[in-house]
Amino acid sequence: ELKVEQNPLFLSMQEGKNYTIYCNYSTTSDRLYWYRQDPGKSLESLFVLLSNGAVKQEGRLMASLDTKARLSTLHITAAVHDLSATYFCAVDMITQGGSEKLVFGKGTKLTVNP
Amino acid sequence: DAGVTQSPTHLIKTRGQHVTLRCSPISGHKSVSWYQQVLGQGPQFIFQYYEKEERGRGNFPDRFSARQFPNYSSELNVNALLLGDSALYLCASSVTRTANYGYTFGSGTRLTVV
Repeated sequence: ELKVEQNPLFLSMQEGKNYTIYCNYSTTSDRLYWYRQDPGKSLESLFVLLSNGAVKQEGRLMASLDTKARLSTLHITAAVHDLSATYFCAVDMITQGGSEKLVFGKGTKLTVNP
Repeated sequence: DAGVTQSPTHLIKTRGQHVTLRCSPISGHKSVSWYQQVLGQGPQFIFQYYEKEERGRGNFPDRFSARQFPNYSSELNVNALLLGDSALYLCASSVTRTANYGYTFGSGTRLTVV
């Protein structure tokens, strides 16, 4: 059974600082997604990482995927208050029956303080 | 271009009742998946439908059922509601079953069971 672990689960940081969120997963997969969720809202797609070594950047966020280490990182550069949200990583899994599902981590609740 | 639409947005039901949630995928998307997100947790996979057939089912009791219609819209049904069914129910659509372009989530239905 695929397990996805994120850390930290809670992150409080000051504006202007840098930090990294880690996502480890337990079985082989070459597809990983990062989502953002604001309180009471749905999931907003941030990054789709489809191969080993994939790196994508959007604004102050950069995501990478190392399939050999089963590790993805979400790096935050010079944080601003608007980045406050919960961030989820999700690993794509093909079941024995051939269906496809996402297995999510528990999420990292990020609070950026002035 | 309309995104994934879900209805209703909020719902309050009594224990033992039945509920039907609806989802319309993005035009051209043939795969619809359902997820349950309990407060403070990551989403959990319930079902995947592709081309009107169930392709996968998560670890949920038989009280949960779903179907996909010829226009690729989908319904999630939950019978004999329990307090623990209170959650945000998310629908995700993708272009193909293998989702090379990722998943797009709807805004969700917030179900409260009292």
